[in-house]
Amino acid sequence: GQNIDQPTEMTATEGAIVQINCTYQTSGFNGLFWYQQHAGEAPTFLSYNVLDGLEEKGRFSSFLSRSKGYSYLLLKELQMKDSASYLCAVMDSNYQLIWGAGTKLIIKP
Amino acid sequence: EADIYQTPRYLVIGTGKKITLECSQTMGHDKMYWYQQDPGMELHLIHYSYGVNSTEKGDLSSESTVSRIRTEHFPLTLESARPSHTSQYLCASSVTGAETGELFFGEGSRLTVL
Repeated sequence: GQNIDQPTEMTATEGAIVQINCTYQTSGFNGLFWYQQHAGEAPTFLSYNVLDGLEEKGRFSSFLSRSKGYSYLLLKELQMKDSASYLCAVMDSNYQLIWGAGTKLIIKP
Repeated sequence: EADIYQTPRYLVIGTGKKITLECSQTMGHDKMYWYQQDPGMELHLIHYSYGVNSTEKGDLSSESTVSRIRTEHFPLTLESARPSHTSQYLCASSVTGAETGELFFGEGSRLTVL
């Protein structure tokens, strides 16, 4: 079966750095995506990785290793507004997105 | 900013009622999707569409139907609501051909079936 694993919850301090991991086992691979979802709101797109390596976008970076079935989302200079759930999703061989359950990130002052 | 709208935002209904959740987008996207999401859980694909007159079933499609008569409109219908249908329903759209997986989501319809 297809499976996306990510931690349920993480806590970090304002101004710090946090790394949210995601491991996957899917039927084929056509890219890995990270979305941010604030409580009660819709998910919004953060990043897309299809080749191995690091993609940087401002305070957020996303890394992919296809051979290990592994990705992480790195958030720097954490702000209170970064408190949200972070969803990892993989596009399989049928170009369908398989979603993880999300990691709830709690930022403390 | 994404232009995709869902109505109603909140709905409380009794068991056995027929309901339609509306979704419209003004971006001209060909692909549209309906997802169901319970708190702390992953998104589950209910139905999707590649364009007008195209509808496909996802993982949780057996108790609902969709139609795609116009590009911008993708309503979801539950013929007979049950308490197990209580959930948040998210509509999304994306650009055809750009297989980047960037979905634009509506704000969701939170359904409670008593």
